[in-house]
Amino acid sequence: AQSVAQPEDQVNVAEGNPLTVKCTYSVSGNPYLFWYVQYPNRGLQFLLKYITGDNLVKGSYGFEAEFNKSQTSFHLKKPSALVSDSALYFCAVRDPFSLSGGSYIPTFGRGTSLIVHP
Amino acid sequence: KAGVTQTPRYLIKTRGQQVTLSCSPISGHRSVSWYQQTPGQGLQFLFEYFSETQRNKGNFPGRFSGRQFSNSRSEMNVSTLELGDSALYLCASSLGLAGEVDEQFFGPGTRLTVL
Repeated sequence: AQSVAQPEDQVNVAEGNPLTVKCTYSVSGNPYLFWYVQYPNRGLQFLLKYITGDNLVKGSYGFEAEFNKSQTSFHLKKPSALVSDSALYFCAVRDPFSLSGGSYIPTFGRGTSLIVHP
Repeated sequence: KAGVTQTPRYLIKTRGQQVTLSCSPISGHRSVSWYQQTPGQGLQFLFEYFSETQRNKGNFPGRFSGRQFSNSRSEMNVSTLELGDSALYLCASSLGLAGEVDEQFFGPGTRLTVL
C-alpha cells in the first residue's frame, strides 16, 4: 500500500526567508511524487512532480522539491518566501507499478498550511 | 481553454436530505475523479469515472454515488445527509485514468454544509 505523511499541520515563516514544507512517503516500488497548492476558495493547483531523473525538481512560482530516496522524502522548498505563498500545500504519491487498494489512484497527504508573515 | 467547473459553489442542507453536485471537466478530458476534503482528513478519494463507467472507488458508504454522462460531465449524489458529510467536495479531471497520468486538474470545489 502507498501512503504519504505531512508531519506539520502548519509552517510559519517570515517573508524573505527560505521555506520548507515536509513530506515523507511509503510505496513498495519507485514513487511518482507531486505537490499541489490550494489558495482560499480555490481548487488544487499543480506545482511540480517527480517521476524520474534529477532529484531536484523545479516547479511553478519559484518552488522546488528534492527527492531523497534513502529518507523517503520529497520536501517542498523555496529560497525566499512571499506573503502571497500563504496557502495550503498537499503532497501526493502514487506507485505506478503496484496496485494500492485495487487502483493506482494517487494518495494525498492531509495538507500543510503555510503562513508567511510580512 | 476553460478549466474544471463545479456547481453549485456553496450548498446548505439539513440532515436526511439528499444533494447532487455537478462537475464539468476540461474539454477532451475523459476522466473525472471526486474527492472529499475536510480539515482533519485532508483529501480522500471518493470515486473515478471514465467513459461513463466507474473505474475506481474509495472507502465511502453507499450513500455516496455518482455517474458520468456521454459528454464527460459528472454528477455526485449524497443521500440521507449526515452532519459529518459537511466538507469541500473537489472534482478533478484528466486526459486518462487518474492512476495513469502525471497530473490532474482540479475544480474550485463545492462547499457543502449539513445542518
